[in-house]
Amino acid sequence: AQSVTQLGSHVSVSEGALVLLRCNYSSSVPPYLFWYVQYPNQGLQLLLKYTSAATLVKGINGFEAEFKKSETSFHLTKPSAHMSDAAEYFCAATSGTYKYIFGTGTRLKVLA
Amino acid sequence: DADVTQTPRNRITKTGKRIMLECSQTKGHDRMYWYRQDPGLGLRLIYYSFDVKDINKGEISDGYSVSRQAQAKFSLSLESAIPNQTALYFCATSGYRVNEQFFGPGTRLTVL
Repeated sequence: AQSVTQLGSHVSVSEGALVLLRCNYSSSVPPYLFWYVQYPNQGLQLLLKYTSAATLVKGINGFEAEFKKSETSFHLTKPSAHMSDAAEYFCAATSGTYKYIFGTGTRLKVLA
Repeated sequence: DADVTQTPRNRITKTGKRIMLECSQTKGHDRMYWYRQDPGLGLRLIYYSFDVKDINKGEISDGYSVSRQAQAKFSLSLESAIPNQTALYFCATSGYRVNEQFFGPGTRLTVL
């Protein structure tokens, strides 16, 4: 069965520091993978997606993620955190059917 | 204008009341979804629809019903609301050839 695990429900980084949010998936077939961001009182917005093309995926707002099949991981990174990056981030996967599996979310706090 | 809209944005109701949450989209997508978000649990699928005549239960459909009035409209009903249905509800859409989902802004429902 497909599942998505996000390590760390809360992550704090200093402004200007590296952001690393972890996501691992389990799947019997290579999935499509996504990172979404949720700002307060808003819906989820797509940051980036992996669809079996390049393993390093660049998204909006300077974020990127690398698909590593051997590690079943799709970690989200940003070289330098900005205060506006404070939000909740969700990793999600689908095998191409109707079903999208979401992780439980990681709340990112950026310290001045 | 937003591509996926939800009404109402906030609702407080009492136990036993019937309530309807509405979702409209202008993206022209066939697939529509209803999720609920609870802290620490991520998003869980309530119902999904591939077209007007194709409606399916998700993982937590008990206590909920839906109606797909048109390609662009998908409503979620709570026939007799109970306090543990207090949550943030999201509508989402996706296209047949589009992998990612597009989310509405959410409805915050409180059942007293």
